[in-house]
Amino acid sequence: NAGVTQTPKFQVLKTGQSMTLQCAQDMNHNSMYWYRQDPGMGLRLIYYSASEGTTDKGEVPNGYNVSRLNKREFSLRLESAAPSQTSVYFCASRGQGENIQYFGAGTRLSVL
Amino acid sequence: RKEVEQDPGPFNVPEGATVAFNCTYSNSASQSFFWYRQDCRKEPKLLMSVYSSGNEDGRFTAQLNRASQYISLLIRDSKLSDSATYLCVVPSGGSYIPTFGRGTSLIVHP
Repeated sequence: NAGVTQTPKFQVLKTGQSMTLQCAQDMNHNSMYWYRQDPGMGLRLIYYSASEGTTDKGEVPNGYNVSRLNKREFSLRLESAAPSQTSVYFCASRGQGENIQYFGAGTRLSVL
Repeated sequence: RKEVEQDPGPFNVPEGATVAFNCTYSNSASQSFFWYRQDCRKEPKLLMSVYSSGNEDGRFTAQLNRASQYISLLIRDSKLSDSATYLCVVPSGGSYIPTFGRGTSLIVHP
């Protein structure tokens, strides 16, 4: 059972480049989330999707866009990467009525 | 007051020791609370849920103190493998937006 799968695991970008982080879950969960984690800052919510077809901003949405492509997939796009976006990005999902989140293994992104 | 606060540590303890962490929260309406464990450079994973009556799982005990608005995690007989960062999580409201604490680092040494 794969759970939550994120791709890529590592990425290096130059300032101004764009990329999309992919996330897919096979647990039939309604809700999906994107977080970034920086040293000393803990996990901060970028965007979330309570259900297929809906997305909402979290605590730190600037510089990012998301797409809930279908129930399984929730992608995060950086249109013009900046060094401040160097971070570890985690995707998570949660089933309806559950309080537990399941996380992917993360994407380590460096923007030079 | 921040929504969820934790002492970042590190807590440096010998094997076999008992160690406890606290986490304070500001939303008095919160009903459920969680402890997640995060190993270095890995994803967070659920360790324990914390409900009104507390929760015990082997060497781990989680307690809730509503009056003082904090939850605690007690680890007995610490193992080297317990070395990790422990994250306190407090969901908010009907839309379930969890707030994570910054984590408490535990280092268990021989």
